[in-house]
Amino acid sequence: GQNIDQPTEMTATEGAIVQINCTYQTSGFNGLFWYQQHAGEAPTFLSYNVLDGLEEKGRFSSFLSRSKGYSYLLLKELQMKDSASYLCAVRALEGGFKTIFGAGTRLFVKA
Amino acid sequence: SAVISQKPSRDICQRGTSLTIQCQVDSQVTMMFWYRQQPGQSLTLIATANQGSEATYESGFVIDKFPISRPNLTFSTLTVSNMSPEDSSIYLCSVSGQGDYEQYFGPGTRLTVT
Repeated sequence: GQNIDQPTEMTATEGAIVQINCTYQTSGFNGLFWYQQHAGEAPTFLSYNVLDGLEEKGRFSSFLSRSKGYSYLLLKELQMKDSASYLCAVRALEGGFKTIFGAGTRLFVKA
Repeated sequence: SAVISQKPSRDICQRGTSLTIQCQVDSQVTMMFWYRQQPGQSLTLIATANQGSEATYESGFVIDKFPISRPNLTFSTLTVSNMSPEDSSIYLCSVSGQGDYEQYFGPGTRLTVT
């Protein structure tokens, strides 16, 4: 089976840095995704990690440690528009090739 | 990136009826998936739509309730059968290409069952 854990909610201040953690347990690990989802909209792709280490893309960075079953999404220079849900998702080769989502972390950015 | 359209975008249906949701992609893709997102919840995978064969369903989802078709590499349908208010949700089509790690989502179909 698979299990993905991330905090339910976080609050941060505009201009600050926030780190959203995700831990997972899965068999046949084939990569970890982070998605952003604004209310009423479809998820949009942010990052993909399949090897250990940090991937940086503009204000967003994502880190993966496969041995620890751990990832984080780092958001820098927070903007009000970053208020959204952030979904950690794991791709696994288990009974087929599929991506399973965590419950999501709702981020509130305040002025 | 793939552009995905879904029809209808939303619908209000009566209990006991069925609704078929269409998903169209602008390019051929290897993998197509159907997800459900209930209010305030994350995404739950319903099934993988396989081209030319029966879909692969996740635990808790059965073909009689959610029949899926995938006649080619750019199109799929999901039917929600014999609907009840518990089926009220957003249904999302998602695609991924072979060797393409990115997974894209359609805009979703917002279903309300009364």
